[in-house]
Formats: sequence, C-alpha cells, structure tokens
Amino acid sequence: QQKVQQSPESLSVPEGGMASLNCTSSDRNFQYFWWYRQHSGEGPKALMSIFSDGDKKEGRFTAHLNKASLHVSLHIRDSQPSDSALYFCAAIRTGGYKVVFGSGTRLLVSP
Amino acid sequence: EAAVTQSPRNKVTVTGGNVTLSCRQTNSHNYMYWYRQDTGHGLRLIHYSYGAGNLQIGDVPDGYKATRTTQEDFFLLLELASPSQTSLYFCASSDAGDSAETLYFGSGTRLTVL
Repeated sequence: QQKVQQSPESLSVPEGGMASLNCTSSDRNFQYFWWYRQHSGEGPKALMSIFSDGDKKEGRFTAHLNKASLHVSLHIRDSQPSDSALYFCAAIRTGGYKVVFGSGTRLLVSP
Repeated sequence: EAAVTQSPRNKVTVTGGNVTLSCRQTNSHNYMYWYRQDTGHGLRLIHYSYGAGNLQIGDVPDGYKATRTTQEDFFLLLELASPSQTSLYFCASSDAGDSAETLYFGSGTRLTVL
C-alpha cells in the first residue's frame, strides 16, 4: 500500500475554474510535504512546499496542511490550460532523505 | 535552476540485456536519486546516494544496481533486463543539508525491454 495516496486520479475543470487536489499520508512520521507538477515529456518540477499546519499561498496556488489528519491539499484558482499536467504529492520524514511520492492526479483544464 | 542531465533519452533492449542509464548534475548537490515512473504507481524510488561511493537502497531495488562515481555522476545498471523493467526512469538531485530540500529532476529516460 502506498504511503502517500492522492485523489482524484484525474480531474477536469474549465478555464478560469478552481481545481482541488488531495493527498493523504498513512505515515505519521511524514512532516514535510511538496507538490510537484509534470508536463508531458518533461521531468517533475517542484511547485510548492508546505511544512506547517495551515495555508500557504503562492500566486494562484494555495496549499493546505493538516498534520493531525495527515491531509494535504492543493487548490488552483483561475485555472489555465497551461496548468494541465500531472500533479504529484511528495512527503519526507523528519531527519530523512527518502522522498515518497503519491501516484499523481492528472489535471485537464479546458479552454 | 539546478541542471540534471540524463542519457540516453530513449533505450530499447531485449530480455536479458545489459543496460546502463546515466545521470549528471552540475550543482554540487549531495543527494542523487533514481526513480521509475509507471502509470498508477507514480514515482517509485529505486536507489539513492548521498555522495561519491555511497549507495542507499530505495523501495523497489530488485533487479537494479547503482553506482555513484563522483559528486556529479550517478548510474543505474540493469544487468539482466526484464520486460517488467520497461518504464520511464528519472534521476533527481537535491542539496539535502536537512530534510526539507527540493528535488530537481532530469528529463527522463524511456526504457523498453522486449
């Protein structure tokens, strides 16, 4: 069983809409979380990190972390066709160096 | 931005063949990683290293060897390739002075084992 689980597997939103992606960890030792984005034909690139409970906003992107429930989410407002990509949640334990990824959410933003 | 270069970009081999995937990073990062990407499984860690000569086992190491020859270079070896190793392979590096460092990925190597 994967220790980082993402939902939904795929998501379709209209241009200008809000996309919400979810990630849940089954390992309470995971303390640091990232969202990575992968466009077709490219390697994943870090989108944003979140290490503390609450919200973190970067432009159109807002990440939310609830360590008690081991839940991380990513919200993309005013979605653009260029946001269409595969999004990964990633986690790492305190003092660890092994980064564990979820299975990904494929986002499609339609013009 | 950190530069991670993988080669080859595509590779086709036969069952039982010998394959070496190469990765070079030019930002003096301590940590380097090999992942494989498969639909439904996301990115799974094969091996990683925190410096020249060091090797750590990841989550799916069976059938793979790795070697870190220098700070910059990390190789993944498949000595008896099998069709189950057909996948998209990514190398990544990070400047992991603590637990909270970003991974920088290469563009990937698509391996097909016939």
